Amino acid sequence: AQKVTQAQTEISVVEKEDVTLDCVYETRDTTYYLFWYKQPPSGELVFLIRRNSFDEQNEISGRYSWNFQKSTSSFNFTITASQVVDSAVYFCALSQMVKTGANNLFFGTGTRLTVIP
Amino acid sequence: DGGITQSPKYLFRKEGQNVTLSCEQNLNHDAMYWYRQDPGQGLRLIYYSQIVNDFQKGDIAEGYSVSREKKESFPLTVTSAQKNPTAFYLCASSIDRTSYEQYFGPGTRLTVT
Repeated sequence: AQKVTQAQTEISVVEKEDVTLDCVYETRDTTYYLFWYKQPPSGELVFLIRRNSFDEQNEISGRYSWNFQKSTSSFNFTITASQVVDSAVYFCALSQMVKTGANNLFFGTGTRLTVIP
Repeated sequence: DGGITQSPKYLFRKEGQNVTLSCEQNLNHDAMYWYRQDPGQGLRLIYYSQIVNDFQKGDIAEGYSVSREKKESFPLTVTSAQKNPTAFYLCASSIDRTSYEQYFGPGTRLTVT
């Protein structure tokens, strides 16, 4: 069974602070993908990153960075020098690598980030 | 611009009525998906389609129906059998069934009273 846990329901930070959003997952699969999506107030989910289970390298994209640790089944997301525009709900998701059927995403419950100016 | 469109943004219906939510994409993607989002919860998969004229039930298909007559269109009907239809509905697509990145539309907020 697949499960994604985002224990932080809501986080508030002051602008320019760093913030880390936690994601812990469960899967019996040895190969899988992990994702982060951003949902701004408009509602549309915006794809941020995909990481496959083979690759534990951390990734940095501008002010965003991701820390994937297979040993702890975690895929945490850090925003450096947060900005008001970062205010959104952030979802972590897991997908199996399957040869048949669609690659369905299993989502966590999301973390609502509020950046206070 | 390529993308996924869902209309309308807000939809209101009386209990007992069927309602169809539209989803159109011009990305030439083979696979399409419907998700439901409730407050404080993650997205849950309702139906998905890998190719035209094919679709499969997701985790919460009861009370919903879909069709996939054209590659670019994947409408979702919320029937009167759906016990709690008020929710935010998101449509997504991916290049094909092996593509792991799904791209989402803006969503339709359905309120049934």
